[in-house]
Amino acid sequence: GAGVSQSPSNKVTEKGKDVELRCDPISGHTALYWYRQSLGQGLEFLIYFQGNSAPDKSGLPSDRFSAERTGGSVSTLTIQRTQQEDSAVYLCASSFNAGGLETQYFGPGTRLLVL
Amino acid sequence: GDSVTQMEGPVTLSEEAFLTINCTYTATGYPSLFWYVQYPGEGLQLLLKATKADDKGSNKGFEATYRKETTSFHLEKGSVQVSDSAVYFCASAGAGGTSYGKLTFGQGTILTVHP
Repeated sequence: GAGVSQSPSNKVTEKGKDVELRCDPISGHTALYWYRQSLGQGLEFLIYFQGNSAPDKSGLPSDRFSAERTGGSVSTLTIQRTQQEDSAVYLCASSFNAGGLETQYFGPGTRLLVL
Repeated sequence: GDSVTQMEGPVTLSEEAFLTINCTYTATGYPSLFWYVQYPGEGLQLLLKATKADDKGSNKGFEATYRKETTSFHLEKGSVQVSDSAVYFCASAGAGGTSYGKLTFGQGTILTVHP
């Protein structure tokens, strides 16, 4: 079946611009997670959704970062007024339910470069 | 908060050599433990997991045992192949509280296997 998909696969933007990153989870998965992979910080958690609610936003680095999920499916991560330190690979994952027992399935990522 | 520590890399081995990648964790309660693998040019894939103490996860010849007494989840393979060359990530997922469901990753270990 179809896995987690993300778009765009690559994004180059200028400092100060806003960007939107999209994630389509596996059909039927109620939990959706965003992570960031960068050279300096490794893989770090950003936010997760159970349905359309975000019980844990603790990993969002600043108020320039926001995310939403609609219809219990697609999620969008928005970065406003991008900075060079936002350059990273943004990964989305989904699981059948939230919780530590569940396996998270990852998408291919969006590689963001802020010039 | 939760943390995961992997052995320093990179690791370079000859084909058919024995592999160990060490992983230790700190967590509140009893997390689930995972090994994810990232092959060149591909996304993160689950390699194996264990959800309670003394459980052994296994897949593709790789094994790891959840050791609560030593808070460890070391990855082993008896005979590596060139195709095992990849980056390996150890991760924990909390069973409850603020770490519920979200993955905390180690820094990753680059494995290169030569013919």
